[in-house]
Order: sequence, then C-alpha cells, then structure tokens
Amino acid sequence: DAGVTQSPTHLIKTRGQQVTLRCSPKSGHDTVSWYQQALGQGPQFIFQYYEEEERQRGNFPDRFSGHQFPNYSSELNVNALLLGDSALYLCASRPPGQEDYGYTFGSGTRLTVV
Amino acid sequence: SQQGEEDPQALSIQEGENATMNCSYKTSINNLQWYRQNSGRGLVHLILIRSNEREKHSGRLRVTLDTSKKSSSLLITASRAADTASYFCATAPGAGGTSYGKLTFGQGTILTVHP
Repeated sequence: DAGVTQSPTHLIKTRGQQVTLRCSPKSGHDTVSWYQQALGQGPQFIFQYYEEEERQRGNFPDRFSGHQFPNYSSELNVNALLLGDSALYLCASRPPGQEDYGYTFGSGTRLTVV
Repeated sequence: SQQGEEDPQALSIQEGENATMNCSYKTSINNLQWYRQNSGRGLVHLILIRSNEREKHSGRLRVTLDTSKKSSSLLITASRAADTASYFCATAPGAGGTSYGKLTFGQGTILTVHP
C-alpha cells in the first residue's frame, strides 16, 4: 500500500517563476495538508484541502495556492517565486472523519529558488 | 508561527541509554503528536496523545502530557543508532475552533545515538 507520493523530488527554479508541486494521498485518505519546512526549522502549515475546497490556511501570501481533485490528489502552486521560498514542501494526508489521528507525510519536494 | 518549543535543541547519547525530549506549547490543544524526521525527508508519525490523557506508551516510546503546564515529554528507552533523527512535537488546536486540522510544529530536537 503506497503512502503519500509527492513529485517532483527536487526542483530548481529561477526567482519570479511559477512552480507546481503534486501530491497523491495515501489510499483511503481524503484530507490533504501542505507544509513548508525551511532548513533547520519545523514545518509550517500552508493550507488544508478537503472535499476539493481549501478548509484552512496558514500565514502564507496569496502567491501560494492549491487545488484538490476528485481523486483526492492535490497540487500546490507558488507564483512569483522568491529566494525565501526555497524549502522542503511536505504533503500530508489523513483518513476521513479522523480529526484525532496522526498524519501520513510524503517524502517532500525540495525546492531551490536561484 | 511555531507554537511548540522543544528542549533540548540537540541531544547526543550512547546506544542503550534513554533519550528524553520535552515540548512546551502556548494555547489549548485537542491532541499533541510526535513525529520523527530522518535527514530532512518526510515525517513519520510516532504517537498521539489526547488532551484528556496523561501518559501513553508505544513500544520503546513513552509520552506524557501535562495540560496544566502546557508541556509534553517523549522518552525513548534503550536507544539504538537507528533512532538518530530529528524529533518534532506538533499540536492540534482545541476542539471547537476552526483550525482543528492544522498542526503547529516545534523546531525539533536533533537526537544522535552513537553506536
């Protein structure tokens, strides 16, 4: 049973460009969250998707947007990339109706903005 | 913002010793979770403790929660070299709020277990 799958693994982009990161949740999971983890820091919550809608959002600018598809997979889009967007982006999923449940994380996408 | 603060920031021990990591948080919680991260890759969920629980065990892991002090500790007994990783606590906000799905992570404790 595959866990959470993220693609690509690594990505290098130029400042000002746009990027799309992809996530497939674990089988049976319908809630997807995205986190940004800067080097040496803990992950920071970007937003969460459930039933194809953004349900919660962290303190990130509108340059960060997302989408969830009917098959529960999700995308994270970042526009007008800044050097400070360089980080590990993590996707996490959870089963339906399980608020009191640990998340399953993917291995992340390492984004480098130059 | 980081709600959880972990202590110590780094811990170095010998195989077979116990490792204790502490986490403090600021607001009310529904549950507190501990995760492990190897080499800057994905996080692995270790254990979850609910706000109405005081202690929980899973294999070599023991977690305690003191909601009056807004603190938690993770004890790893009989540590192994394979336990070398970063450990993070994460809090889920108290029930009734609109942020129940959001986890707020601490900055983590780097644990090194020497063979």
